[in-house]
Amino acid sequence: DSGVTQTPKHLITATGQRVTLRCSPRSGDLSVYWYQQSLDQGLQFLIQYYNGEERAKGNILERFSAQQFPDLHSELNLSSLELGDSALYFCASSVVGSGANVLTFGAGSRLTVL
Amino acid sequence: AQKVTQAQTEISVVEKEDVTLDCVYETRDTTYYLFWYKQPPSGELVFLIRRNSFDEQNEISGRYSWNFQKSTSSFNFTITASQVVDSAVYFCALSARGGKGGSEKLVFGKGTKLTVNP
Repeated sequence: DSGVTQTPKHLITATGQRVTLRCSPRSGDLSVYWYQQSLDQGLQFLIQYYNGEERAKGNILERFSAQQFPDLHSELNLSSLELGDSALYFCASSVVGSGANVLTFGAGSRLTVL
Repeated sequence: AQKVTQAQTEISVVEKEDVTLDCVYETRDTTYYLFWYKQPPSGELVFLIRRNSFDEQNEISGRYSWNFQKSTSSFNFTITASQVVDSAVYFCALSARGGKGGSEKLVFGKGTKLTVNP
């Protein structure tokens, strides 16, 4: 157990729908990252939060949004889902937002869009 | 822009063979960090090693060793006497500048799938 908790583990939904993925970082970690892993794109950085504020943005679609709450948990919202959004979504956390930090990853949320 | 290339998509070896996973990176930053992560069949990403750009010493941890060469922008990973449990996808990653506030994000290579056969 890495200490990073992601829910749900698996999610099956239909095109056009909206889903929310949840992440609780490791105790003491202030920074949360979201990554998308798909067969064709590999591991793609989506977005990073540090202590409630957005710190960096990657290849995140406009249909996707995220936030980090005062208790430091984070949610990734995916809307108007398309077949291509099917992927494994990872949350990771680190103590601070520095590039020197080791990221601790959760087990991932596997999203299937039918 | 920062980039990580893992040219080997898949490698298959027989148990007890040595295997080297290649990683080549690109960055304009003088200070950067390189990482290796392992993704076993169960799916989670497990941290293996971090190396900063000022430390070119090779590192050995049990059957694992890493060779960092700035001159060739490479950070290769060798498993000695491979075992079936080493079967996984291995990712090389580079921390890169991006976003506001000088924060840095981790850029991953496409990964190398290692299969160790008994």
